[in-house]
Amino acid sequence: GAGVSQTPSNKVTEKGKYVELRCDPISGHTALYWYRQSLGQGPEFLIYFQGTGAADDSGLPNDRFFAVRPEGSVSTLKIQRTERGDSAVYLCASSLNSYNEQFFGPGTRLTVL
Amino acid sequence: TQLLEQSPQFLSIQEGENLTVYCNSSSVFSSLQWYRQEPGEGPVLLVTVVTGGEVKKLKRLTFQFGDARKDSSLHITAAQPGDTGLYLCAGAKNNDMRFGAGTRLTVKP
Repeated sequence: GAGVSQTPSNKVTEKGKYVELRCDPISGHTALYWYRQSLGQGPEFLIYFQGTGAADDSGLPNDRFFAVRPEGSVSTLKIQRTERGDSAVYLCASSLNSYNEQFFGPGTRLTVL
Repeated sequence: TQLLEQSPQFLSIQEGENLTVYCNSSSVFSSLQWYRQEPGEGPVLLVTVVTGGEVKKLKRLTFQFGDARKDSSLHITAAQPGDTGLYLCAGAKNNDMRFGAGTRLTVKP
């Protein structure tokens, strides 16, 4: 079956621009997670959805970051006024529920010039 | 400050050698997972440990969860070049997961 997919795989943007990163979870998975991974580091938790609602958004670094999951499936991570420090790989993962194994997508590599 | 500290950060060994990597925290976790990540890909789950003192074996890999559920170790026997990758531990707490920075393992043929 299809795994978690993320689009685009690579995104290059200029400082100050707005970007949207998309995650398609495994069908039927109610839990969805966004992480950010910088070079040489482990994934850093950003936000966790259970269904349509954000159950924990404590990892979002500031109010330039926002994520939605309006129908409980696809999720979009939105970054406003991008900064060079936002450059990283953004990983999405889904799981059957919050206590199960997380399946990761390949990530979106964001580069802010 | 990382909630989970992994050591060593980097490890380079020859094929056939044994190794142990560690994952330590001051926090108690309901479960702890080990993942392996290769370049350009997302992490892939290797094992989940739940019970304090639990030991799980996966072929040449042995995972141990500390009695107090605060730390874990991964031991690889007779390492192979295919074991090369970033090994991440992740602790489950309050319905979400926190990752360590990982141990980057290189196994030379």
